[in-house]
Amino acid sequence: DAGVIQSPRHEVTEMGQEVTLRCKPISGHNSLFWYRQTMMRGLELLIYFNNNVPIDDSGMPEDRFSAKMPNASFSTLKIQPSEPRDSAVYFCASSLAGGEAFFGQGTRLTVV
Amino acid sequence: AQSVTQLDSQVPVFEEAPVELRCNYSSSVSVYLFWYVQYPNQGLQLLLKYLSGSTLVKGINGFEAEFNKSQTSFHLRKPSVHISDTAEYFCAVRGSGTYKYIFGTGTRLKVLA
Repeated sequence: DAGVIQSPRHEVTEMGQEVTLRCKPISGHNSLFWYRQTMMRGLELLIYFNNNVPIDDSGMPEDRFSAKMPNASFSTLKIQPSEPRDSAVYFCASSLAGGEAFFGQGTRLTVV
Repeated sequence: AQSVTQLDSQVPVFEEAPVELRCNYSSSVSVYLFWYVQYPNQGLQLLLKYLSGSTLVKGINGFEAEFNKSQTSFHLRKPSVHISDTAEYFCAVRGSGTYKYIFGTGTRLKVLA
C-alpha cells in the first residue's frame, strides 16, 4: 500500500480564497483524522471520521473550516475564506480500529 | 478529557550517549500509548506502541518505552543515540473507548557530534 496520500504537498494562496486539501487513506482503514501543526500550537486534532461519519469536530477552529468524507477512500478539508493565520501544515491520518494512526506527508499551506 | 504532557521541549545529547524522553498522560480509563518520530518536512512515523501485555515495548531504530500505570508515564529510551536520531518525537494517547488520538507538544531531540 502507498500509505496515506495527501495533495497538494504545498499550497500558496491569497487571503480570502478557498482552499481544498485532499486525502486518500490507507485502503481498509475505517478511521480518518485531520490534524493541523503549527509552531505555536503543536499538533491539533481538527476532526475525525469513523466509517465515513464525522465523530468529533470540536477541534475545527471556526465555520470557515469544513471537512467531508464522501466515501471510504477520500476526504477533503476546505477553508473558505482562508486567512493568514490558517498557515500551517495539515496532516491527514488513518487507522484501523484499535491500531495506530498512519500519517500522510502533509500539506504545507501558506496564506498570504 | 485525556491529555499528554511531554516535559521537555528540547533535549540535546551527545552521540552514543543514552537518552530518555519523558511522557506523562492523564486518563481515568484504559489507554493505548504511542511514540511517533517526525523528521524535517515529513509526516509522523510510528516508533512503537503499547496496546496491552508487556509493559516494556521495543520499537524501531533501537528505541524502547516502558508503560508505568501507577505513574501514568510512558517514557521513551535509547541506550546509544546516533546523529540520525535528530528529530522531533511525539507521545500520543488513545482511550480504549474512543478513536481519538491526543498528541503531546513534542520533544526536539538534537544529537551532537
